[in-house]
Amino acid sequence: AQSVTQPDIHITVSEGASLELRCNYSYGATPYLFWYVQSPGQGLQLLLKYFSGDTLVQGIKGFEAEFKRSQSSFNLRKPSVHWSDAAEYFCAVYGQNFVFGPGTRLSVLP
Amino acid sequence: GAGVSQSPSNKVTEKGKDVELRCDPISGHTALYWYRQSLGQGLEFLIYFQGNSAPDKSGLPSDRFSAERTGGSVSTLTIQRTQQEDSAVYLCASSLGHGNEQFFGPGTRLTVL
Repeated sequence: AQSVTQPDIHITVSEGASLELRCNYSYGATPYLFWYVQSPGQGLQLLLKYFSGDTLVQGIKGFEAEFKRSQSSFNLRKPSVHWSDAAEYFCAVYGQNFVFGPGTRLSVLP
Repeated sequence: GAGVSQSPSNKVTEKGKDVELRCDPISGHTALYWYRQSLGQGLEFLIYFQGNSAPDKSGLPSDRFSAERTGGSVSTLTIQRTQQEDSAVYLCASSLGHGNEQFFGPGTRLTVL
């Protein structure tokens, strides 16, 4: 069975600081991996995805994520956070079905 | 092109009533998904449709929940005899095929009094 964990329920960073959101998955093979963002009052928007190939993927809004097979991880990073990045972030895995993680809420301090 | 649309955006109902939630996917998308998001929670998978195949209903929480997809396009999620614990945001998503990037609608916020 697939599962996704996002160990951090809530993270607070200062504007301009770097960010890393953790995502770990459990699946017998290499799944497809996604990061979505849900801003307050908005729908979910895809930030980036990994299907195969280069393990470092670039997404929208300056985000990137790195797939590490040995760690079963797909952590999301951004070198400099903007106030508008405050939102809920969801990691998702597709193996046999789609499974979403519980989400990490990001707060940004001015 | 238009994105995924859902209606109504908000629905308030009384306990025991039936409700129908509608989803219009992106034209040409063969896969359609329903999720439930309770306050402060992640997404709970409910059901998905892929083309003309039998839907995967494995996420439906009880037999009060059902969904159909007519003509491979519009989908309706029906909740019978609503309970207060059904209160949540119901999200619909569509994709070109199962496993592809999902495009989400704005959701329907259901409140059961």
